[in-house]
Amino acid sequence: DQQVKQNSPSLSVQEGRISILNCDYTNSMFDYFLWYKKYPAEGPTFLISISSIKDKNEDGRFTVFLNKSAKHLSLHIVPSQPGDSAVYFCAASANQAGTALIFGKGTTLSVSS
Amino acid sequence: DTAVSQTPKYLVTQMGNDKSIKCEQNLGHDTMYWYKQDSKKFLKIMFSYNNKELIINETVPNRFSPKSPDKAHLNLHINSLELGDSAVYFCASSQAQNIQYFGAGTRLSVL
Repeated sequence: DQQVKQNSPSLSVQEGRISILNCDYTNSMFDYFLWYKKYPAEGPTFLISISSIKDKNEDGRFTVFLNKSAKHLSLHIVPSQPGDSAVYFCAASANQAGTALIFGKGTTLSVSS
Repeated sequence: DTAVSQTPKYLVTQMGNDKSIKCEQNLGHDTMYWYKQDSKKFLKIMFSYNNKELIINETVPNRFSPKSPDKAHLNLHINSLELGDSAVYFCASSQAQNIQYFGAGTRLSVL
């Protein structure tokens, strides 16, 4: 049973526009959420995270929003750039060192120029 | 200077063989992990070590045995390889806040 779901396998966006990637989770025990970006033949790279005590975290062009009541989070990329084209993974865990990250299946973002 | 490095990057072997994948991190982290990315692209935890002690051991066949000689290294040994073991294996490490840093992955192909 998938505890973290990314229901859109792919997303295509034009350069300069906003990219919105969505993620849903089922486990109420999750209190820490992360987004990773992955290029082919490379490992996942940490992008941004958010604790369950917040509803928004921003880092440059990347903003993550958390809606705890809906068990939903989203990653906004503004403005999107061709170099953002990659697979984006949503992950969740309990905020303790050493606990496993539970990953979604990923969304492939394509940004065209 | 690579933070989490895995070797080899590619591993092609026959069924029944025994193989090892090595992982080293130079971030000074206390916790290291092994994840498996299967053909459906799911990344799933296999093992986690904290200061050389096993703390997570998911439902993984006994043929898989992690070894942590020190907190900077976590190696994965696989006995009697099977076709279903073909996957990409990722090593990761973390310290505070569970932000995990991943290696580039080892693509294992069992023929």
